[in-house]
Amino acid sequence: EVQLVESGGGLVKPGRSLRLSCIGSGFKFGDYGMSWIRQAPGKGLEWVAFIRGKGSGGTTEYAASVKGRMTISRDDSKSNVYLQMTSLKTEDTGVYYCVRDGRPSLDVWGQGTTVTVSS
Amino acid sequence: QFVLTQPPSVSGTPGQRVTISCSTSSSNIVRRPANWYQQVPGAAPKLLIYSNNQRPSGVPDRFSGSKSGSSASLAISGLQSEDEADYYCAIWADSLKGWVFGGGTKLTVL
Repeated sequence: EVQLVESGGGLVKPGRSLRLSCIGSGFKFGDYGMSWIRQAPGKGLEWVAFIRGKGSGGTTEYAASVKGRMTISRDDSKSNVYLQMTSLKTEDTGVYYCVRDGRPSLDVWGQGTTVTVSS
Repeated sequence: QFVLTQPPSVSGTPGQRVTISCSTSSSNIVRRPANWYQQVPGAAPKLLIYSNNQRPSGVPDRFSGSKSGSSASLAISGLQSEDEADYYCAIWADSLKGWVFGGGTKLTVL
């Protein structure tokens, strides 16, 4: 079964950092690009970051709202993708989904991990 | 600049057919294939339609997609109570090098 499982969410104060992790199983992890998508409470979906597979250079892309504050990375030996979040703001609060980028679509979603940024 | 517009809500009765539109004026994404996601309350989104009109394995053929010009559409026929959910369109924007989502449409089955 193809599966993604996120972890690392929690309550954090504004300005602090947090690292999210996602482990994939049931597919050849290194062959796929991976994205993080977030959803603020009661709001829609927002793309956050994308990392290409090693075959495509492993390069990264970011939404303007997080560029310079968040870093996506991957460890294919562990089938993991990470999102390092720094200088967190209250507006970063939400559920963060790890998603397989099976171009032309985001085809496999994790169950999400909740990040709450509050003093 | 990168905006996908969906109606905030649609509704229908069991057995009816409803459609949800997703439109853009952005030349950067108008030619890209559209994907559709279903999110039932409390759950993660699920891929419903990819490449404008393709259904992943396991998605009932009551769900169909189409695209014409700058607008994509999701149609749900034979509406069922379990179809009550939020529906999102999404397109990859080459110049943004990222995914753009529509604002979402809440489907209510009356």
